[in-house]
Amino acid sequence: DAGVIQSPRHEVTEMGQEVTLRCKPISGHDYLFWYRQTMMRGLELLIYFNNNVPIDDSGMPEDRFSAKMPNASFSTLKIQPSEPRDSAVYFCASSYGDTQYFGPGTRLTVL
Amino acid sequence: GQQLNQSPQSMFIQEGEDVSMNCTSSSIFNTWLWYKQDPGEGPVLLIALYKAGELTSNGRLTAQFGITRKDSFLNISASIPSDVGIYFCAGTTSGTYKYIFGTGTRLKVLA
Repeated sequence: DAGVIQSPRHEVTEMGQEVTLRCKPISGHDYLFWYRQTMMRGLELLIYFNNNVPIDDSGMPEDRFSAKMPNASFSTLKIQPSEPRDSAVYFCASSYGDTQYFGPGTRLTVL
Repeated sequence: GQQLNQSPQSMFIQEGEDVSMNCTSSSIFNTWLWYKQDPGEGPVLLIALYKAGELTSNGRLTAQFGITRKDSFLNISASIPSDVGIYFCAGTTSGTYKYIFGTGTRLKVLA
């Protein structure tokens, strides 16, 4: 099994640009999670899906952030417009049950 | 967002020493997880705990679910250089996969 796949691994963009992060969960997993990790705030849950349906998006910082899961094998996290304070490592994780498997993360830098 | 308090924040130890760390919460949890994160990677699950008082081992790692349900402990015996990394606890209440993550304990092993 390839594990959770995230792309890109690194993204550098300028303030105001749109950023799209991608995630392919482990096949057969019915939950998908998006996290953000920063030194100041640690690992924060942004949103999670069950069977492609968003269950809890209370962690999404503001309307500039949106996430979709059009099918069981793909999810996106979009930031529009991006700001320097969005710089962080974004992780996607998937699970079947309560054991979450994390992807390698996308390191986002907004200049 | 809400976080769990982990102690210590960081520690240097000699190779071969035993390590103890803990995680405390103001809320009662029904599941505790312990993860390890290596540089540039996503967290990897080490141990899962589901019952108050439960003691579970995974090789040289042993974790306990505190009887108050507000804390958990992780011990590493006979540390080796590859134990270097950041250890996170995570907890959740029943009926949800919305895990809250601890602030992390950074472990550095001196050979």
